[in-house]
Amino acid sequence: AQSVTQLDSQVPVFEEAPVELRCNYSSSVSVYLFWYVQYPNQGLQLLLKYLSGSTLVKGINGFEAEFNKSQTSFHLRKPSVHISDTAEYFCAVSDKYTGNQFYFGTGTSLTVIP
Amino acid sequence: DAGVTQSPTHLIKTRGQQVTLRCSPKSGHDTVSWYQQALGQGPQFIFQYYEEEERQRGNFPDRFSGHQFPNYSSELNVNALLLGDSALYLCASSLVGGGGYQETQYFGPGTRLLVL
Repeated sequence: AQSVTQLDSQVPVFEEAPVELRCNYSSSVSVYLFWYVQYPNQGLQLLLKYLSGSTLVKGINGFEAEFNKSQTSFHLRKPSVHISDTAEYFCAVSDKYTGNQFYFGTGTSLTVIP
Repeated sequence: DAGVTQSPTHLIKTRGQQVTLRCSPKSGHDTVSWYQQALGQGPQFIFQYYEEEERQRGNFPDRFSGHQFPNYSSELNVNALLLGDSALYLCASSLVGGGGYQETQYFGPGTRLLVL
């Protein structure tokens, strides 16, 4: 079974500053990788995904992430955050060929300070 | 294009009762997965339904059961509710199709269950 570690439970950052949310997973076996965002009292919205190909993937709202197979990491970045980015962010992984279930990290709470 | 819908949005039950949650998948999707998200935690996989059968199950007791209908919608049933069952229950849909594998799961808004 996979496991996902989100290294920072809370990340405060000033508006217009860059941010990186870190994610590591347990296995380098063929995987699909995802970042989801959850706003208060809502479900999960897909930010971006890595399925294959280029290791740098771009998502919605200016976010991007880089897949690093050797370090089993998939860190999320944004060069300039806005107040509206304040939310909970979840990293998820599934096995490419047996991936019926998604394994989620415990989440990172991003707070953008005006 | 309708996304994943869930009903009800909120539910309050007492210990020992039974509850049924409902989910309609995104248009064109054939697979439904259910997750439990406790407060302050990431979602935990309960089970997945494909072709009206349970395809895979996470580490949840038999009190949790489900069903998928021919139109791909799904129900999650929880019997003998415990206080610890209080959580946000998320439904996710995906397309498996003939290839046998899914890629992306799309989530609904969730049903928040409170057990008193």
